[in-house]
Amino acid sequence: KAGVTQTPRYLIKTRGQQVTLSCSPISGHRSVSWYQQTPGQGLQFLFEYFSETQRNKGNFPGRFSGRQFSNSRSEMNVSTLELGDSALYLCASSAGLGNYEQYFGPGTRLTVT
Amino acid sequence: GEDVEQSLFLSVREGDSSVINCTYTDSSSTYLYWYKQEPGAGLQLLTYIFSNMDMKQDQRLTVLLNKKDKHLSLRIADTQTGDSAIYFCAESLEGNTPLVFGKGTRLSVIA
Repeated sequence: KAGVTQTPRYLIKTRGQQVTLSCSPISGHRSVSWYQQTPGQGLQFLFEYFSETQRNKGNFPGRFSGRQFSNSRSEMNVSTLELGDSALYLCASSAGLGNYEQYFGPGTRLTVT
Repeated sequence: GEDVEQSLFLSVREGDSSVINCTYTDSSSTYLYWYKQEPGAGLQLLTYIFSNMDMKQDQRLTVLLNKKDKHLSLRIADTQTGDSAIYFCAESLEGNTPLVFGKGTRLSVIA
């Protein structure tokens, strides 16, 4: 069974631009969560989607948004990029609500210049 | 509130046992996890334990949970150079809420 895939793996953007990251969960998994990893703040939760609905949201500004499609694939969007948005963005999938096994993808490394 | 703390570094010799420690503050945490991250990679789920358990063993990995002290440990037996990585402790309430991670412990294995 294929694991969680994320595209692109690396991205360089300029301040003020917007970016869209994509995540395909493990086949059959319906829950997708997004995390931001930085050296200073560590791993922080962004949001979680299940059956195309946002179930949980972390403490991030409204510039960070996401969505989930009917095939469980998810995208996250960051608008008006800031230097501080440079991070590794990780996506995790699990089978569904109440499922405690979350499997992570390799991440997208975003650099904002 | 939720908070997870870990020591930042651990260095061991190949063949020795490694013990990575973690403390958490939320007594409601019902699921506790250990993840491994190698350079340039995502997080690999190593093992997890429910808060109604004291110990879980999985091949070279042993997880010990002391609920009274809110202390979790991961023991890696016969540590190999391939175990060099950053290990993250994480907690979750009821298993379907966001994971709260510690800052990670960087394990260095000396040949």
